[in-house]
Amino acid sequence: AIQMTQSPSSLSASVGDRVTITCRASQGIRNELVWYQQKPGKAPKLLIYATSSLQSGVPSRFSGSGSGTDFTLTISSLQPEDFATYYCLQDYNYPYTFGQGTKLEIK
Amino acid sequence: QGQLVQSGAEVKKPGASVKVSCKSSGYTFTGYWMHWVRQAPGQGPEWMGWINPQSGDTKYAQKFQGRVTMTRDTSISTVFMELRRLRSDDTAVYFCARDGVIGADAFDIWGQGTMLTVSS
Repeated sequence: AIQMTQSPSSLSASVGDRVTITCRASQGIRNELVWYQQKPGKAPKLLIYATSSLQSGVPSRFSGSGSGTDFTLTISSLQPEDFATYYCLQDYNYPYTFGQGTKLEIK
Repeated sequence: QGQLVQSGAEVKKPGASVKVSCKSSGYTFTGYWMHWVRQAPGQGPEWMGWINPQSGDTKYAQKFQGRVTMTRDTSISTVFMELRRLRSDDTAVYFCARDGVIGADAFDIWGQGTMLTVSS
């Protein structure tokens, strides 16, 4: 199975900061990378699919980039509602695998 | 826009089986594959497999092969996930999630989750 490694595992930041989360695949996955946001007690929410396509209704401060094995999620200016845990998911081959998550906390 | 509503929390003993339901509304049930994802307490999500509600075709993660069965009932727009021979490490929240993005496997609508506790 493809292993997805996220970094950092946790991150403290302030409202207005620019934040970048990285996700590395153990083998090439083309652009088949998805990002989710999850808040405590809730289901994950789709943010970005196919590496860089913004899901409808998601604010434009979220963006994604990368290809092959290295991917990034960037939040250009953190808002209070963005403090959550973020997961990447590879949907290149089976079994689909998630990263271990990055918990974004308020500084 | 669509909504997925799952069945309620379950408590089972080791070795038992559980069947979780996921009822769809607000969109064409047979038009989108449905995936199941679970999340153990404090852990990241784990993909379990999918079912094509139109054909009934399924694909399971190898880890769950032989223990999981995904089915559907088109008359009530509902998919089911049965997990057998339960162990304590099956304790998790189980989610159904619609594969709703054309051309990409991305889960755009999720159920609220079903908490399964496996304990003697």
